[in-house]
Amino acid sequence: GENVEQHPSTLSVQEGDSAVIKCTYSDSASNYFPWYKQELGKRPQLIIDIRSNVGEKKDQRIAVTLNKTAKHFSLHITETQPEDSAVYFCAASTHSDSGYSTLTFGKGTMLLVSP
Amino acid sequence: NAGVTQTPKFRVLKTGQSMTLLCAQDMNHEYMYWYRQDPGMGLRLIHYSVGEGTTAKGEVPDGYNVSRLKKQNFLLGLESAAPSQTSVYFCASSSTGVGANVLTFGAGSRLTVL
Repeated sequence: GENVEQHPSTLSVQEGDSAVIKCTYSDSASNYFPWYKQELGKRPQLIIDIRSNVGEKKDQRIAVTLNKTAKHFSLHITETQPEDSAVYFCAASTHSDSGYSTLTFGKGTMLLVSP
Repeated sequence: NAGVTQTPKFRVLKTGQSMTLLCAQDMNHEYMYWYRQDPGMGLRLIHYSVGEGTTAKGEVPDGYNVSRLKKQNFLLGLESAAPSQTSVYFCASSSTGVGANVLTFGAGSRLTVL
């Protein structure tokens, strides 16, 4: 099955700095890579995703890059703000024997943005 | 639209007791999922369903059963709770096609097994 590794497990930055979270995956058939943000005590919410036919996607201060050859994708947050403090999860699509795909999640990165 | 609603939000059980978590969605989604979240372990898939009347095992299915009798509901059952099942449980749903992996999560159910 799919294995998704996520680094670092914790990341502390100063407000205004950039933050980068990296993930690797093992299944070359994976073709969908979302990122979820989970604030303390809240549910995970999708913030950005990328499909395997593109290498980069941006949405205001966040961007995701994908390197299919290296099986590596990253989340980039620029001009970080205290409200960006949360746990971020990467995920990769996993295809089961039944033909349906599900998501396999990384273990999460706790991002702390200090004012 | 309420989205995905989970009940109960909190529950404390004794070892060996049984209980059922209910997930309801009002988005007419075909796919529904149960994940558990433990510190440092991310979100792990327990069971999922690709339509009414169907269920399938995920990564960590042991000790749990599920049922999808109605399209809008997905039930997660613990027949004999164990302390290792202390966790936060999240239900999620998604549509088909390109939206198949775009998950909408419920607010979570925190379960403690003593």
